[in-house]
Amino acid sequence: EAAVTQSPRNKVAVTGGKVTLSCNQTNNHNNMYWYRQDTGHGLRLIHYSYGAGSTEKGDIPDGYKASRPSQENFSLILELATPSQTSVYFCASGAENTLYFGAGTRLSVL
Amino acid sequence: GQQVQQSPSSLVLQEGENAELQCNFSSTATQLQWFYQSPGGSLVSLLSNPSGTKHTGRLTSTTVTKERRSSLHISSSQTTDSGTYLCAVNTNTGKLTFGDGTVLTVKP
Repeated sequence: EAAVTQSPRNKVAVTGGKVTLSCNQTNNHNNMYWYRQDTGHGLRLIHYSYGAGSTEKGDIPDGYKASRPSQENFSLILELATPSQTSVYFCASGAENTLYFGAGTRLSVL
Repeated sequence: GQQVQQSPSSLVLQEGENAELQCNFSSTATQLQWFYQSPGGSLVSLLSNPSGTKHTGRLTSTTVTKERRSSLHISSSQTTDSGTYLCAVNTNTGKLTFGDGTVLTVKP
């Protein structure tokens, strides 16, 4: 069974602080993705990666950076967190015909 | 870019009734997936169906590529089917774009 693990599961951050969301996959998939999910907007793609060392901008990259140091790990970084970044964040890894999602990280920026 | 519209936005059924969920998309797609999200939970892939008809268990998906639409039929619904059903379609760059989903509630 494909496995994608996100940490932390819940995070409370202060405005202006730095937040790092981590994602680890044991599927050996080349492609990895970060989405955020908000009521009324569905899932929106923030950043994605085709493999170690690669990061690409998704549909809503402003205010976020991504890092893919290895095949297994893909991080999402909020350098200066804002309340508008309060959301649920999902990481996924991709095989040819499907995506495998992590359990999500609920982030609150106060 | 690719736009994905799902209907209805919500649906309430009695256990045992069938459900029909619709997904319409704006541009040609070579990949279409249906996902299930449990309340407050993560997403699980149900079916990958870029064209034609596919079955798995009580689920049937029919995609008409030329008309840019797909449907998901759930037969004999159960209370455990309650949750959000999401349709995702790829863009010409390979990224998946998600619809806003259909929230299904199945009452006992």
